[in-house]
Amino acid sequence: ELKVEQNPLFLSMQEGKNYTIYCNYSTTSDRLYWYRQDPGKSLESLFVLLSNGAVKQEGRLMASLDTKARLSTLHITAAVHDLSATYFCAVGFSTGNQFYFGTGTSLTVIP
Amino acid sequence: DSGVTQTPKHLITATGQRVTLRCSPRSGDLSVYWYQQSLDQGLQFLIQYYNGEERAKGNILERFSAQQFPDLHSELNLSSLELGDSALYFCASSVAGLKNTIYFGEGSWLTVV
Repeated sequence: ELKVEQNPLFLSMQEGKNYTIYCNYSTTSDRLYWYRQDPGKSLESLFVLLSNGAVKQEGRLMASLDTKARLSTLHITAAVHDLSATYFCAVGFSTGNQFYFGTGTSLTVIP
Repeated sequence: DSGVTQTPKHLITATGQRVTLRCSPRSGDLSVYWYQQSLDQGLQFLIQYYNGEERAKGNILERFSAQQFPDLHSELNLSSLELGDSALYFCASSVAGLKNTIYFGEGSWLTVV
């Protein structure tokens, strides 16, 4: 059974600090997605990573994928309050049509 | 606004009842996905359709069914509802498969009382 684990589950950090969210998955996959969800809202696509070594950056967020280690990271640089949200990674498979979400990381940025 | 439209936004119904959730994908998207989000189960994949055909099935209960119509809109039917079915149900769409960004709708909040 595929497992997609994120850590930490909860993260409280001060503005201006850096931190990394980790996403580990148990089965080989070549595509990885990161989403953001604000409370009671929909999921907003942040990144789609389609190959080993892929790195994408948008503003203060940078995502990377290591398919050999079955690991993706979401790095936050100089956090600001607006980044407070829950972040999900999701793993997909080229041989199938479904993708599986991780447990989510609830991020709170404290002024 | 992702372009994926879901109705209704909120729904309260009694146990044993049946409801239908509707989803209109983004213009041009052929794939539709349904997800259930609850506090205890997280985000669970239910089912996926591509251009009217079922392509993948996840943790969808037998009491639940879905279909995608020729105009590409999709419906998720939930029957014999139980308290545990209370959740946020998301529809998502993409152009084709998983190489593309998958866009989520605002969700339908279902409360079973």
